[in-house]
Amino acid sequence: GDSVTQTEGQVTVSESKSLIINCTYSATSIGYPNLFWYVRYPGEGLQLLLKVITAGQKGSSRGFEATYNKEATSFHLQKASVQESDSAVYYCALSENTNTGKLTFGDGTVLTVKP
Amino acid sequence: EAAVTQSPRNKVAVTGGKVTLSCNQTNNHNNMYWYRQDTGHGLRLIHYSYGAGSTEKGDIPDGYKASRPSQENFSLILELATPSQTSVYFCASGDVGQAPLFGEGTRLSVL
Repeated sequence: GDSVTQTEGQVTVSESKSLIINCTYSATSIGYPNLFWYVRYPGEGLQLLLKVITAGQKGSSRGFEATYNKEATSFHLQKASVQESDSAVYYCALSENTNTGKLTFGDGTVLTVKP
Repeated sequence: EAAVTQSPRNKVAVTGGKVTLSCNQTNNHNNMYWYRQDTGHGLRLIHYSYGAGSTEKGDIPDGYKASRPSQENFSLILELATPSQTSVYFCASGDVGQAPLFGEGTRLSVL
């Protein structure tokens, strides 16, 4: 079946420093999957941060960027300068290009930004 | 505004009891989903639905039933709750080509 791997369970970064959260995926279908980053802020539900459905494209939102790399099967999340308010849990996910829209999630990365 | 509303937000149940988690969406989406999320793990799909009257098994359906009586409502039912079902449950709705929209979650504790 499909799988998503986030290698870092926890990341701590100082405010204004750069961030990268790694995500690699494996999809069983012939076509290319849709890729997503979701975020869960403390006390809140899961929100879509960004999505990319075309291989080679870059998605961006709230200063975060992720590029769909089909050769490396990666979708790493990056930000040039983090803020304390970015502290949250970040989930990488994929969906096959079918009618179901079902998502397969990584285990999540807890980001703590130190002031 | 698009919304997915879950109730209750918190629930404490006894082992062997019946638990029903409810989800309502105002987005007119055809697809709805139930996921559970355990500490240190990603969300895993329990059941999903293509529309009113349909339910499909997800990746971890054992011990759960689902009901989709209308376009707007999708329930998750634990007929005989067990402590292993203690978790946070998320409902979502979506359509083809869209990123699913999630509710705020229900924290369930089975004692």
